[in-house]
Amino acid sequence: KNEVEQSPQNLTAQEGEFITINCSYSVGISALHWLQQHPGGGIVSLFMLSSGKKKHGRLIATINIQEKHSSLHITASHPRDSAVYICAVTGYGGSQGNLIFGKGTKLSVKP
Amino acid sequence: GAVVSQHPSRVICKSGTSVKIECRSLDFQATTMFWYRQFPKQSLMLMATSNEGSKATYEQGVEKDKFLINHASLTLSTLTVTSAHPEDSSFYICSASGIGGQYEQYFGPGTRLTVT
Repeated sequence: KNEVEQSPQNLTAQEGEFITINCSYSVGISALHWLQQHPGGGIVSLFMLSSGKKKHGRLIATINIQEKHSSLHITASHPRDSAVYICAVTGYGGSQGNLIFGKGTKLSVKP
Repeated sequence: GAVVSQHPSRVICKSGTSVKIECRSLDFQATTMFWYRQFPKQSLMLMATSNEGSKATYEQGVEKDKFLINHASLTLSTLTVTSAHPEDSSFYICSASGIGGQYEQYFGPGTRLTVT
């Protein structure tokens, strides 16, 4: 079993829909990251969080440490949101580079 | 947010040649840089961690003589793939972490290497 599990693996939505991507992990963590990877390959760091909730524009990330679960929400989705969304965690006590990556969720938003 | 650049974005080279990939932090001092490799439809895999002015720490299974990493300044790290082979074809991504930026990593746009 992977230490970081994402669901769903693939997601197709219509423009304007509210989207939720889930991430569960089985290790103690210092921080959790949400990353976005576009078809060209470049990665953008969306959020880093260790508790609570963060919001940036139409994106919201939440984390529940007790349940070892995080969600990434996209409100009013748009075709330009189409990308792979990756959840990654820094294990507790781990060095900065020891990110454990989920396999990603491929999102496709149709106009 | 902080900006990390990589150069080149794409490179095609012949088998047996060496290729250098640069990773630069443009607006902050990167005390630590990380090099990742990503195969198609796979997660990123950490290859090595480099701290400015010291030798890189390689992950198990990564050949340090094949993947030479240099982190000579607080804004530049290089990865050189020596004697490249077709199986080295992959997407290479760097990330950087700066002073005081505990656990925060800023990713570069990646370099697509194709070895023919």
